[in-house]
Amino acid sequence: ETGVTQTPRHLVMGMTNKKSLKCEQHLGHNAMYWYKQSAKKPLELMFVYNFKEQTENNSVPSRFSPECPNSSHLFLHLHTLQPEDSALYLCASSQETPGELFFGEGSRLTVL
Amino acid sequence: EDQVTQSPEALRLQEGESSSLNCSYTVSGLRGLFWYRQDPGKGPEFLFTLYSAGEEKEKERLKATLTKKESFLHITAPKPEDSATYLCAVRDNYGQNFVFGPGTRLSVLP
Repeated sequence: ETGVTQTPRHLVMGMTNKKSLKCEQHLGHNAMYWYKQSAKKPLELMFVYNFKEQTENNSVPSRFSPECPNSSHLFLHLHTLQPEDSALYLCASSQETPGELFFGEGSRLTVL
Repeated sequence: EDQVTQSPEALRLQEGESSSLNCSYTVSGLRGLFWYRQDPGKGPEFLFTLYSAGEEKEKERLKATLTKKESFLHITAPKPEDSATYLCAVRDNYGQNFVFGPGTRLSVLP
């Protein structure tokens, strides 16, 4: 139990579907992140929210739409994805000091 | 632009055979260097944070060290349960991004 919970753990969707990934953190942190992890590639930052405000968007395609209603919850809305979007999507949270990232278990997404 | 490389890409050790993993980095003002362990299909698990050159941290069979250009993760007398991918990441003083290396995949054989 890391204090960061992601649902669903596995998701299979077609290219025309709309789905959402959910993340909740119980650590009292003020920043939340979405990272993408593809095979043979380093973790790639997608979005950062600090106190509910988006502070970084790492040139992510608009078919990925984040939402942060409060400091404890983060969503990633998915629509008209491509097969190359299949990956492990990781949510993380951190406090400014000391600043370590704490990750959830990830949502394994497969796009058919 | 911050960059992190790790070597070797993969490492096979016999149980009890000590070794070290390398993380080389370039960063404009290091805020922190982080080590994580990741098991297959799971999220990375936080191990250590190092803030300045010369700093060392230990946890069970693992010891992390830091210089101005690289960090080492020393594994002493490893056990099969230490098998995992070990990730290194840096954070600079100017943003909120953590830049990750590609990882070292460690296998410890009984």
